[in-house]
Amino acid sequence: DAGVTQSPTHLIKTRGQQVTLRCSPKSGHDTVSWYQQALGQGPQFIFQYYEEEERQRGNFPDRFSGHQFPNYSSELNVNALLLGDSALYLCASSFAGGLNFYEQYFGPGTRLTVT
Amino acid sequence: AQKITQTQPGMFVQEKEAVTLDCTYDTSDQSYGLFWYKQPSSGEMIFLIYQGSYDEQNATEGRYSLNFQKARKSANLVISASQLGDSAMYFCAMSYNQGGKLIFGQGTELSVKP
Repeated sequence: DAGVTQSPTHLIKTRGQQVTLRCSPKSGHDTVSWYQQALGQGPQFIFQYYEEEERQRGNFPDRFSGHQFPNYSSELNVNALLLGDSALYLCASSFAGGLNFYEQYFGPGTRLTVT
Repeated sequence: AQKITQTQPGMFVQEKEAVTLDCTYDTSDQSYGLFWYKQPSSGEMIFLIYQGSYDEQNATEGRYSLNFQKARKSANLVISASQLGDSAMYFCAMSYNQGGKLIFGQGTELSVKP
């Protein structure tokens, strides 16, 4: 049973550039959430996608956008990159109809470095 | 506003001993879930244990148990018989609505000594 997968593993970008991160949820899951984890901090919620729509959003600027595809996979796009966007980006998936709806499974993350 | 507080930035424990990692939370919601995740140096967040706010018994998963004290708003993680592989960052988190958004604490770095 494949878990949550993310690509790429590592990424180096320059200030002002745009980046796209990808996530495939665990088999059977239909909801994808994205988190940003700065060094030494706990993850911060960016947004969540369900049924191809953004259902909930954290306190992040519009430079952060996303998409969910019919197969439940998801992309996170960040425009006009800032040095402060350097972080580990984690994707988490869950099943909206499960008994433990709140239970989220995380992928290995994408480490983004902005220079 | 919902908040998770982990007051122990770092903890040391001897191999085979038990250790308690502290977590307090703040919420006005009646329905919520509490989680503990382990994050090794590789970065992946590994789900350990879940406790629902209406669960009357403390959750247990193998060597992990959650000491849930609702009135005190605490959800401490107890790891019994520590192993060297338990060395990692541990995060307490809370979810308070059907949306499933997780709110994380700052984490506790656990080091297990041989």
